[in-house]
Amino acid sequence: AQTVTQSQPEMSVQEAETVTLSCTYDTSENNYYLFWYKQPPSRQMILVIRQEAYKQQNATENRFSVNFQKAAKSFSLKISDSQLGDTAMYFCAFCDNYGQNFVFGPGTRLSVLP
Amino acid sequence: NAGVTQTPKFQVLKTGQSMTLQCAQDMNHEYMSWYRQDPGMGLRLIHYSVGAGITDQGEVPNGYNVSRSTTEDFPLRLLSAAPSQTSVYFCASSYEQGADNEQFFGPGTRLTVL
Repeated sequence: AQTVTQSQPEMSVQEAETVTLSCTYDTSENNYYLFWYKQPPSRQMILVIRQEAYKQQNATENRFSVNFQKAAKSFSLKISDSQLGDTAMYFCAFCDNYGQNFVFGPGTRLSVLP
Repeated sequence: NAGVTQTPKFQVLKTGQSMTLQCAQDMNHEYMSWYRQDPGMGLRLIHYSVGAGITDQGEVPNGYNVSRSTTEDFPLRLLSAAPSQTSVYFCASSYEQGADNEQFFGPGTRLTVL
């Protein structure tokens, strides 16, 4: 069974600074997808970024980028120029190639400080 | 488009009571799913459906029933509520099953079982 681990329950960063959230996962599959979701206080789950395992190039979405290390099974999220609106819970998630096994990590609570 | 809607937003039940959490989407998505979110844990998949008339179990299906009579609706039934079912419940949908399809989440239902 796949597992997703986020070792940082809480983090904080100053506004305009850069922060990196860690995620590791365990799987025996070769093709899969990895995601970062954001859950602000409104509880709405919002997709931040997605990475396909067969793509070596790290995904980037504006201020959000990932460092995908397939051999190490590591998938960290970097947030550049942090904004107050980035304050939220961040969940790392894994899904197999068929979309049948969607597994979430326990989350990291990020606070952006003014 | 309203996206994914869930009702009610909050619910308190007594042990042994039954109720149905409603989920609807207006995006003509084939794939719909239910998750529960507990403190310190990520979302866990309860049940999912790949289309009208087809449902299947996820990671934590015990105590929950689902049906999918239409493409739009995917209700989750608790037949005899237990305190262990106190949680926040999220419904999600995507165009079809597959990790390359973005999942859209509803706003969640916070359920408390006394």
